[in-house]
Amino acid sequence: GENVGLHLPTLSVQEGDNSIINCAYSNSASDYFIWYKQESGKGPQFIIDIRSNMDKRQGQRVTVLLNKTVKHLSLQIAATQPGDSAVYFCAEVLNTGANSKLTFGKGITLSVRP
Amino acid sequence: DTGVSQNPRHKITKRGQNVTFRCDPISEHNRLYWYRQTLGQGPEFLTYFQNEAQLEKSRLLSDRFSAERPKGSFSTLEIQRTEQGDSAMYLCASSLAGGVGQPQHFGDGTRLSIL
Repeated sequence: GENVGLHLPTLSVQEGDNSIINCAYSNSASDYFIWYKQESGKGPQFIIDIRSNMDKRQGQRVTVLLNKTVKHLSLQIAATQPGDSAVYFCAEVLNTGANSKLTFGKGITLSVRP
Repeated sequence: DTGVSQNPRHKITKRGQNVTFRCDPISEHNRLYWYRQTLGQGPEFLTYFQNEAQLEKSRLLSDRFSAERPKGSFSTLEIQRTEQGDSAMYLCASSLAGGVGQPQHFGDGTRLSIL
């Protein structure tokens, strides 16, 4: 299948460990952020989102942290599993009137060692 | 499966031919987006619809590209006189309209290869 992760930075973690994936976003006016997971040959899959009026949001096994001061977003995955292996993208949204187009950051490949 | 559906999944064609892709969004979603993704890159915005109205087009969308959403449900993306540089994954996403915090949900894309 298509190698989405070609030439992307890679984070390698041991199965069962926690993973932290970092992202720097570009626009200080962005007001909504989303993390997506993309497996080879598939489209991006929604993981978790956060609005700019929050600094932390938790889901099932995942936590997103937002630091607006330094325009930094991170995704924490607890007890990483082999099925978590994929390319991860952060995306920012600048809501200007009716449009909510996504601007994606550079992806990071997460590789889970058994 | 009630997610975003795209077809065909793969399209191989010769340079200069026209191609058309189809996207069926999640049924209650009134916003529909097209993105393009090349190997090793994140998706890039091409255009978007709210209901049947095309409200924004990226500068990436040359005049060889046209998108429609005639009844506010499915959408088509046509590329005329294809070029080698059009080879990419074309992704469709849909969302609800209305304020901050409506995530876009993606289909699995159409992979276009130009010979």
